[in-house]
Amino acid sequence: GAGVSQSPSNKVTEKGKDVELRCDPISGHTALYWYRQRLGQGLEFLIYFQGNSAPDKSGLPSDRFSAERTGESVSTLTIQRTQQEDSAVYLCASSLDGAGGRGANVLTFGAGSRLTVL
Amino acid sequence: GDSVTQMEGPVTLSEEAFLTINCTYTATGYPSLFWYVQYPGEGLQLLLKATKADDKGSNKGFEATYRKETTSFHLEKGSVQVSDSAVYFCALIRLPGGRQLTFGSGTQLTVLP
Repeated sequence: GAGVSQSPSNKVTEKGKDVELRCDPISGHTALYWYRQRLGQGLEFLIYFQGNSAPDKSGLPSDRFSAERTGESVSTLTIQRTQQEDSAVYLCASSLDGAGGRGANVLTFGAGSRLTVL
Repeated sequence: GDSVTQMEGPVTLSEEAFLTINCTYTATGYPSLFWYVQYPGEGLQLLLKATKADDKGSNKGFEATYRKETTSFHLEKGSVQVSDSAVYFCALIRLPGGRQLTFGSGTQLTVLP
């Protein structure tokens, strides 16, 4: 597509429920990132996918968080047993290629999915 | 670890005022530096970047110079417009070997007519 699409744009859930957030990157972009933005704070790296390489999961805050990516297309971020501290905007970004490539590091972001855990 | 520190906001200016948003960083190696902008209701967009010391990134009237001696990358604009109202994020990626951007906390800018 023309840009990075994320859904849902807003999600309100009850504590303890599972949520799935979806990201559709720009067609042809091999690298995909998930970031979390808590209110008044900077972006916190969660996970990075690059082609068929093993994902970099070093930013996932707990084992309740997981993410998958199908080939070089859609990614889903799953949060199990949500807690109130999970409330944040979850941002997805894609780039033409990963670190070292000519298009590296120029990330295109989606508008984000705002998650509120009651 | 790598980190980026931005001046705290919010910043409120009148139209045509001069803008400076301070950004300093800590990183090993030779990072590339970026400014991203987030307009209301939209995703972050790359505003400008610099990949080595003394480089100046510029776009839409905004400028930032990579200062290795002061580990800074301050964002400036000579005359802001109402349409510049947004959140501005400073970011870096460590090179070699870095695979993801490290962001500052963002600075909210409001420009009044």
